[in-house]
Amino acid sequence: AQSVAQPEDQVNVAEGNPLTVKCTYSVSGNPYLFWYVQYPNRGLQFLLKYITGDNLVKGSYGFEAEFNKSQTSFHLKKPSALVSDSALYFCAVKDGNNRLAFGKGNQVVVIP
Amino acid sequence: KAGVTQTPRYLIKTRGQQVTLSCSPISGHRSVSWYQQTPGQGLQFLFEYFSETQRNKGNFPGRFSGRQFSNSRSEMNVSTLELGDSALYLCASSLIPGPGADTQYFGPGTRLTVL
Repeated sequence: AQSVAQPEDQVNVAEGNPLTVKCTYSVSGNPYLFWYVQYPNRGLQFLLKYITGDNLVKGSYGFEAEFNKSQTSFHLKKPSALVSDSALYFCAVKDGNNRLAFGKGNQVVVIP
Repeated sequence: KAGVTQTPRYLIKTRGQQVTLSCSPISGHRSVSWYQQTPGQGLQFLFEYFSETQRNKGNFPGRFSGRQFSNSRSEMNVSTLELGDSALYLCASSLIPGPGADTQYFGPGTRLTVL
């Protein structure tokens, strides 16, 4: 079964510093990987996805993610974090039936 | 283009009652999926509908059901509510179903509280 793991519960980063949120995956076949962000009392907002091709994927709000096949990782990154980036971030993988399997989520706290 | 809309946004019910939640997908999207989000279990897949047919179902009891209409709008129903059904129910739409890389876009969710 397809699955993802987000090893950290919370990521604290100072405003202006680089932000990294980690995700590792386990799939059979081609991985379709996604990152979503959730603000309090809101639904999930799509940030970016990896299909194939370039290992560096650029998404919304200055976020990007690096796909690494040998390490089975898909880490989310932002060069300079903003206080407004404080939210819950989910990594997900799509299985062969269009279902998204989500990680447990990472709370990102950007400290002013 | 309007996003995914869900109604109502908040619901309070008591144990044993039933509830119906509604989801309108993005215009042109024909696949609708439902997810349950709880602090303990995280995000879990409930079911997916396409062309008024349920294509996939997650590991939930039969009290959870859904349907899709010809205009792609979808409803989910939970009967005989239990305290553990308290959750945020999220609806997501995509152009088509299938194992490809089509993105699912989520609505704001319906917060269900069972007392």
